[in-house]
Amino acid sequence: DTAVSQTPKYLVTQMGNDKSIKCEQNLGHDTMYWYKQDSKKFLKIMFSYNNKELIINETVPNRFSPKSPDKAHLNLHINSLELGDSAVYFCASSQGTGRAETQYFGPGTRLLVL
Amino acid sequence: GESVGLHLPTLSVQEGDNSIINCAYSNSASDYFIWYKQESGKGPQFIIDIRSNMDKRQGQRVTVLLNKTVKHLSLQIAATQPGDSAVYFCAEKRGGSGGSYIPTFGRGTSLIVHP
Repeated sequence: DTAVSQTPKYLVTQMGNDKSIKCEQNLGHDTMYWYKQDSKKFLKIMFSYNNKELIINETVPNRFSPKSPDKAHLNLHINSLELGDSAVYFCASSQGTGRAETQYFGPGTRLLVL
Repeated sequence: GESVGLHLPTLSVQEGDNSIINCAYSNSASDYFIWYKQESGKGPQFIIDIRSNMDKRQGQRVTVLLNKTVKHLSLQIAATQPGDSAVYFCAEKRGGSGGSYIPTFGRGTSLIVHP
């Protein structure tokens, strides 16, 4: 069984469109994250939710809006997509936010904005 | 600003050799470090971690060394195999708001293992 899953795996869209990426974890974890990985493989955290509450909101354009309907799901909606949004987006989860908590990553969503 | 970084972007080794991947960090407040492996087309996967009160930790074929004096972290892979080919990331953790520890990732190193 997949621990952290994301849909879709690939997303190709036009500039200006609005799109959503979904993430689900079946590990019973309390904390979920969204990361962006650029073409140089640099991983940068965007958001983190703990028990459905936003705890981390890095400097991310307002066009990006996360939503956590329950502890097992964290979706990412992106408005007015721009060329610079092209990247791989990873969802992750962990039991909590303690020092030794291990993050489990999903397979990634490859977004290409044309 | 303070950051986590890597010395070498690409490392090529022969199968059976030992590999050493290096990482420099500059935030002295970091007290927990993790190594992740990312295979092509997949998400990062936890390999091994180390607390700042340790200077060495061993796993299966992997060893992490921490030198707090020079703020340096390394991952040693023994008897490297083709399946070890991947991008390796170091990450640091330090306490944030509300006591949350969110990892900050460094730039990856691509390990290429030649058969």
